[in-house]
Amino acid sequence: GAGVSQSPSNKVTEKGKDVELRCDPISGHTALYWYRQSLGQGLEFLIYFQGNSAPDKSGLPSDRFSAERTGGSVSTLTIQRTQQEDSAVYLCASSLGRGTSGRWYEQFFGPGTRLTVL
Amino acid sequence: DAKTTQPPSMDCAEGRAANLPCNHSTISGNEYVYWYRQIHSQGPQYIIHGLKNNETNEMASLIITEDRKSSTLILPHATLRDTAVYYCIVSPSGQNFVFGPGTRLSVLP
Repeated sequence: GAGVSQSPSNKVTEKGKDVELRCDPISGHTALYWYRQSLGQGLEFLIYFQGNSAPDKSGLPSDRFSAERTGGSVSTLTIQRTQQEDSAVYLCASSLGRGTSGRWYEQFFGPGTRLTVL
Repeated sequence: DAKTTQPPSMDCAEGRAANLPCNHSTISGNEYVYWYRQIHSQGPQYIIHGLKNNETNEMASLIITEDRKSSTLILPHATLRDTAVYYCIVSPSGQNFVFGPGTRLSVLP
């Protein structure tokens, strides 16, 4: 079946502009994650959605960052007034969430959106 | 949350077994160990997970010590396509996985 898709694959914007990044998770996956990865660095957790529960926004670096997940499916990450330090690859992942045993089901990652802020 | 420690880099000859260690000395009894890898310019890919017992799947084997303070991911016959950054993660009490710097495995011809 289809995997996680993200759009656009590349985005170049000017400092101060707003950008929206889209993630289409695997159908039926209740959990959705956003991460970002700066050049040569590890993944940085941003936000997590699980079903209808309130999202875990603990990783969002500033109030310029926000995310929505509409209808429990598609998610949009919005960055307002972009800064050069926002340049990174933004990765989305989805999973079945957490099982009753306490195990976290594996996350399936999309190809990412490469954001460049000039 | 339990933290993990991995060597920053390792080399392995093509066709040989790659053994990637991970220390997680503060792991608690109900926390799982997960391994992911990230091939250059791609998103991370799940490899395997385990709780107490050793696990094997089509990609790799996971050996967890009896005290659960460390584990080893084994790629039995490494190929050039296994060159990647390998992340060892211990499941958090919260929802967010912490992907540390991982181990950069280079499989050499």
